[in-house]
Amino acid sequence: QVQLQESGPGLEKPSQTLSLSCTVSGGSISSGGYYWSWIRQPAGKGLEWIGRIYTSGSTNYNPSLKSRVTISVDTSKNQFSLKLSSVTAADTAVYYCARYGSHTVDPDRAFDIWGQGTMVTVSS
Amino acid sequence: QSALTQPASVSGSPGQSITISCTGTSSDVGGYNYVSWYQQHPGKAPKLMIYDVSKRPSGVSNRFSGSKSGNTASLTISGLQAEDEADYHCCSYAGSSTLVFGGGTKLTVL
Repeated sequence: QVQLQESGPGLEKPSQTLSLSCTVSGGSISSGGYYWSWIRQPAGKGLEWIGRIYTSGSTNYNPSLKSRVTISVDTSKNQFSLKLSSVTAADTAVYYCARYGSHTVDPDRAFDIWGQGTMVTVSS
Repeated sequence: QSALTQPASVSGSPGQSITISCTGTSSDVGGYNYVSWYQQHPGKAPKLMIYDVSKRPSGVSNRFSGSKSGNTASLTISGLQAEDEADYHCCSYAGSSTLVFGGGTKLTVL
């Protein structure tokens, strides 16, 4: 059973770069067929897709965040990571990592496995 | 890329049916059959309930069903139960390898 676990600092200062990692257990991140994604949720609000990476290293980002986001993968550690630069209080949220199926798997084109989420607060 | 529109809240009594709408545009919901729905209990991660507009993952109750008409997708829960009380989020493919979520709907079981 594949499981995801986010890790990283819970507090970040304004203008700094937020860095989070997601460790995949119970399966290989390199197995193919999946996009490894980041999603966030400010308190009391809806979900916001941040971006995703395929095992090939190909990335896609939310246009509204694209200039500040970098998602990378480390297959040797079975992890993928998020970097969000120039953070402000508006970036305070619970950050989730999740697995998104491609058209070759079932369920496809949906987030079928989620991490438990990690709260990140941006404050001086 | 704007968030999909969902009602802030819906409610129903046990045993009743409710429907949650998710309205987008021809560039997202209306343009692709890749709408998914997620259930989220307080303090928990979202759980996949419906994908590809109307398909149910293994293990999800058949009380949950999805549909789409034009630019609006819908999630229907029949035989409402107390455990269904949660937030529900829709998500759609939005072209150019991007995804967009709705604002979420709080379901209250009266």
